[in-house]
Amino acid sequence: GAGVSQSPSNKVTEKGKDVELRCDPISGHTALYWYRQSLGQGLEFLIYFQGNSAPDKSGLPSDRFSAERTGGSVSTLTIQRTQQEDSAVYLCASSRNYDRENQPQHFGDGTRLSIL
Amino acid sequence: KNQVEQSPQSLIILEGKNCTLQCNYTVSPFSNLRWYKQDTGRGPVSLTIMTFSENTKSNGRYTATLDADTKQSSLHITASQLSDSASYICVVSATDKLIFGTGTRLQVFP
Repeated sequence: GAGVSQSPSNKVTEKGKDVELRCDPISGHTALYWYRQSLGQGLEFLIYFQGNSAPDKSGLPSDRFSAERTGGSVSTLTIQRTQQEDSAVYLCASSRNYDRENQPQHFGDGTRLSIL
Repeated sequence: KNQVEQSPQSLIILEGKNCTLQCNYTVSPFSNLRWYKQDTGRGPVSLTIMTFSENTKSNGRYTATLDADTKQSSLHITASQLSDSASYICVVSATDKLIFGTGTRLQVFP
């Protein structure tokens, strides 16, 4: 497709379960980002992948959060042993190349995660 | 501490009117400043990106200004339309990270 695709669009799960969120970036974009957006809050950076370099994981809030990017394309964000405070919209974005500071990021529409 | 503050938090205007949204930042070193529009339930969409040397940039009815000396930016919307109802997010890029404001929620009524 032409844009960043995220799935599922909505996910409801019970506290303590693991969840996987998927992001398909724009074809040819080498940089990929994950953000979290809680109600009434700004976007919170989670993790950044650029090409084959080691990812920038500095934004991950705890070791329950992890992400991988296979083949330089699709990325999966995994949250283990979910807690209620994990409820938020998880947004993925991609940009054309390594120069992330001056490239526009193209966002998907997010996955709305609700932990019961 | 790197921060981006936006005002007002929310704004209601009538269709056809103009409005201006504000963004103040304390981010160093500064790389660029971006404005995004986020419709309800959608991801943010880039409106403008300005580097240190640029003080104005337009995208249709949207005009962003940047004063790097006072560390202030504004987004001016001309002749507002109902479709302008959204959150507008100011983002400032430091050397190795993006700092996001919490946004201004704009509602345009007929």
